[in-house]
Amino acid sequence: GQNIDQPTEMTATEGAIVQINCTYQTSGFNGLFWYQQHAGEAPTFLSYNVLDGLEEKGRFSSFLSRSKGYSYLLLKELQMKDSASYLCAVMDSNYQLIWGAGTKLIIKP
Amino acid sequence: NAGVTQTPKFRVLKTGQSMTLLCAQDMNHEYMYWYRQDPGMGLRLIHYSVGEGTTAKGEVPDGYNVSRLKKQNFLLGLESAAPSQTSVYFCASSTDSSGANVLTFGAGSRLTVL
Repeated sequence: GQNIDQPTEMTATEGAIVQINCTYQTSGFNGLFWYQQHAGEAPTFLSYNVLDGLEEKGRFSSFLSRSKGYSYLLLKELQMKDSASYLCAVMDSNYQLIWGAGTKLIIKP
Repeated sequence: NAGVTQTPKFRVLKTGQSMTLLCAQDMNHEYMYWYRQDPGMGLRLIHYSVGEGTTAKGEVPDGYNVSRLKKQNFLLGLESAAPSQTSVYFCASSTDSSGANVLTFGAGSRLTVL
């Protein structure tokens, strides 16, 4: 079967750095996505990785290793507004998105 | 630019009742999707559409029907609601399904079936 694993919950301190991991086992691979979802709101797109390596976008970076079936989302200079759930999703060989259950990130002052 | 709009935002139904969720997008996107989101689980695809007049089943289609009569609208119907259909429903749209297929989501519709 297809599976996306990510931690259920993480806690970090304002101003610090946090890394949210995602491991996947899917039928084929056509890219990995990270979405941010604030409580009670819609998911919004953060990043897309299809090749190995690091993609940087401001305070957020996303890394991919296809051989290891592994990605992480790195958030720097954490702000209170970063408190949200972070969803990892993989596009399989049929271009269907497989979603992880999400990681709830709690930022403490 | 409104993006993706879902109505209603909240609804309470009794078992056996029917209802329709409406999704409208103003981005001229070809692809539209209906997902449900339940605690502790990833988003699960119910049905999707690759263009006006087309629909296809996703991962969890049972108990739901959809229609895409106009390109901008995608309707999700529950003919006979069951408590297992209590969930938050998200509509999304995208330009296509390949490559960097970024989804734009609606704000969600919270449905409770008693």
